Amino acid sequence: AQKVTQAQTEISVVEKEDVTLDCVYETRDTTYYLFWYKQPPSGELVFLIRRNSFDEQNEISGRYSWNFQKSTSSFNFTITASQVVDSAVYFCALSLTGNTGKLIFGQGTTLQVKP
Amino acid sequence: GAVVSQHPSWVICKSGTSVKIECRSLDFQATTMFWYRQFPKQSLMLMATSNEGSKATYEQGVEKDKFLINHASLTLSTLTVTSAHPEDSSFYICSARNTHRLAGSKETQYFGPGTRLLVL
Repeated sequence: AQKVTQAQTEISVVEKEDVTLDCVYETRDTTYYLFWYKQPPSGELVFLIRRNSFDEQNEISGRYSWNFQKSTSSFNFTITASQVVDSAVYFCALSLTGNTGKLIFGQGTTLQVKP
Repeated sequence: GAVVSQHPSWVICKSGTSVKIECRSLDFQATTMFWYRQFPKQSLMLMATSNEGSKATYEQGVEKDKFLINHASLTLSTLTVTSAHPEDSSFYICSARNTHRLAGSKETQYFGPGTRLLVL
């Protein structure tokens, strides 16, 4: 069975702190995709990144970076120098190839960045 | 970028009535659309996969006779909550899979803004 676990339910940091959101996934498939989405209070999902299972290169996009470790089935997300606007719920998700593309979401981590 | 709209953005209805939610891909064709449901402070759970021109595929535990899905064109899927009850109150989000992924984009599916349903 496929599963995504985000063990951190809520995280609270002070602005400018770095914060890492953890994501652990389970699948027996060798080909799959991992995603991170941001959901602000408005509810709309904002796509952040997609990574396929064959690409373990870490990625950096501005203040965001992602660490993909197949050996530990983890796909962690780090925000550097957090800002109040980063406050949102963040979801990690898994998609299997040949499975129409449906997403299996983790439970989500609520990040609160205080000024 | 690709845009997916949902209508209405929120709806309040009486128990026992039916509610129709539309999901449209505005600038691309989507042979596959997905319907998710999100209860307060919970994750998104896939309800069904909507395929243009064929029957939807429902996830285990989702009543297909209660949540009617129609995907009559490459840009429109509708979800009808029949005989809605207070426990159906939730945030319903659709996503559309782009048949031809936009060049340079890593997104494979695009989410609508969601529809908040409150059943009294």
